[in-house]
Amino acid sequence: GQQLNQSPQSMFIQEGEDVSMNCTSSSIFNTWLWYKQDPGEGPVLLIALYKAGELTSNGRLTAQFGTTRKDSFLNISASIPSDVGIYFCAGRPFGNTGKLIFGQGTTLQVKP
Amino acid sequence: DTGVSQDPRHKITKRGQNVTFRCDPISEHNRLYWYRQTLGQGPEFLTYFQNEAQLEKSRLLSDRFSAERPKGSFSTLEIQRTEQGDSAMYLCASSLWQEANTIYFGEGSWLTVV
Repeated sequence: GQQLNQSPQSMFIQEGEDVSMNCTSSSIFNTWLWYKQDPGEGPVLLIALYKAGELTSNGRLTAQFGTTRKDSFLNISASIPSDVGIYFCAGRPFGNTGKLIFGQGTTLQVKP
Repeated sequence: DTGVSQDPRHKITKRGQNVTFRCDPISEHNRLYWYRQTLGQGPEFLTYFQNEAQLEKSRLLSDRFSAERPKGSFSTLEIQRTEQGDSAMYLCASSLWQEANTIYFGEGSWLTVV
């Protein structure tokens, strides 16, 4: 089945540093999404990408939909302590489906 | 709070017992989704409804699992004869069908089978 490989698995950075994480797939996706999950909570949508090559920002977050439709990356600039959490990429396959396929997550820790 | 609401938030049950989780979506949302998440993994799709119709089911949804959305509003997910492998967080989410990429998740229901 379709799988997403998300990297890195975890990151420990200093406050103020920029962060980059990415997601690759063995097959193409219609849409890419990035979520953040805090402990004990459900995922919260950060950015949605709809077109190959699309670059979208949300505050200090920037994400891109890869031109091959098989990858996406998320950048966080000038990290702050509240950026701590688990970041998930998710892809929606083509076709009439409500399903999202999630990556394994990138755990981000920020040292003040 | 008008977000997706799930109940109970935590459930500990003995192996072999049945459990039921309830989800109340955002009020005008016609799509409702169930996902399962285990520690260290991303959420895995189980099933989704558009209004009261269950349109898609994952192979993860074994015959011990049943989901309903009888009036197109709240939904229940029942697990019969629970097994230790069912221990996970069960996430409910909702969206408008015309904005299906803007999916809002609830806080999840943690299930521990002992």
